[in-house]
Formats: sequence, C-alpha cells, structure tokens
Amino acid sequence: GQNIDQPTEMTATEGAIVQINCTYQTSGFNGLFWYQQHAGEAPTFLSYNVLDGLEEKGRFSSFLSRSKGYSYLLLKELQMKDSASYLCVLNDYKLSFGAGTTVTVRA
Amino acid sequence: SAVISQKPSRDICQRGTSLTIQCQVDSQVTMMFWYRQQPGQSLTLIATANQGSEATYESGFVIDKFPISRPNLTFSTLTVSNMSPEDSSIYLCSVEGLAIGPETQYFGPGTRLLVL
Repeated sequence: GQNIDQPTEMTATEGAIVQINCTYQTSGFNGLFWYQQHAGEAPTFLSYNVLDGLEEKGRFSSFLSRSKGYSYLLLKELQMKDSASYLCVLNDYKLSFGAGTTVTVRA
Repeated sequence: SAVISQKPSRDICQRGTSLTIQCQVDSQVTMMFWYRQQPGQSLTLIATANQGSEATYESGFVIDKFPISRPNLTFSTLTVSNMSPEDSSIYLCSVEGLAIGPETQYFGPGTRLLVL
C-alpha cells in the first residue's frame, strides 16, 4: 500500500502560515493531489504535483519530492474559512487518500 | 471543472432495504467513480463505473452488495443493497476526464445515509 501519513490536527492563528506535511511509501505514482474538505461537504481540488518542486497558486503552495517520499501543502495568510480537513492523495491508477489533517484557524 | 449532482442528498433507511443513489454530470466524462466516507474517516474507493460494461470493484466491495450502473457518459447509479447500520456513511461520486482537467477528479456533494 501507499502508507500515506499526515498529522491529524493543526491549529494556527488568522494571518499566520501553516505547513501540512505528507509522507508516503510507494514504488511509483503519477502524481500527488491536495484536496480541501470542509465539514459536511465534498472534497474540492487544490493542487496537483507531477514533477518535483513547488507549485504556487495564490495563498496555497504545494511541494513534492519523489526521492524523499514527501510532500507539503503551505497555507499562507490564513483566513477563518481555511478551517477544514486537508487530504494528501496519491494518484496511482486510482486515488489513495490520506486520513486528512484538520486545520483549525483561530482569531 | 464539472457540475455534479447527487440524489438523494440524504436518507434514513431501515436495515434490510436497498437505496439507489444517482450521480449526474453536466458534461460527458471519461471516468466515474464511487467512494464511501465513513464517519471521521477519509475516502475509500468502492468501484469505477464503466460505461457499457460491468463496474470494476476494489478489494472488499462486491457487485451483489453495491450494484452500479452507467448507461451513458453523464450518469451513474450506486445501489446499497440489504443495508445494515454499518453501511451508514457518506457516498460520493467523482468524475474525471480530459475535457474537465486531465487526471483530476471532481466530487459530487455526497449522499448522507443513515441505516437504523
């Protein structure tokens, strides 16, 4: 299996930066997704990394290192609406989901 | 992206009965998938709905329990058969296709099922 590991919970203050790390163990995959899921809602697409390196998209950035089996999602200038679960997802002919990291943004 | 709708949005059912969930997309898509998300857990793939042929089921899921139809490129159904309280979950469909963004899956709003 992919053994996708990410922290269960993180708390940060409005306006701050939070980095959600994800490690995995797999021999090969097409790419790595990050999805956001608000409580009671469906997951929504945030980013997709195929190549190593940093992908920046507004306040959110995602990084991938295939050699290290590691990815992170960086959330900058946190807003209250960013309180949600963030899912690290491997794309290997099917999607394999991590358990998710619940981020709580406090005022 | 794509606009995806699911019916019903939620339901409460008695054990032993069956419920059919519908997933409709506003554009033709190559792939449609069905997932389950049990309370407090992440998503688990049930099966890939194939247009014109039998669905491809993941380990632990069987056709008798979760029959799936996909009569065309915009519609699919998932039936949860002979339900038990353990089937209480959120069921989500997702779609993927080159026209809406290669390799990216977009999710429907989900169907919240409670089995008593």
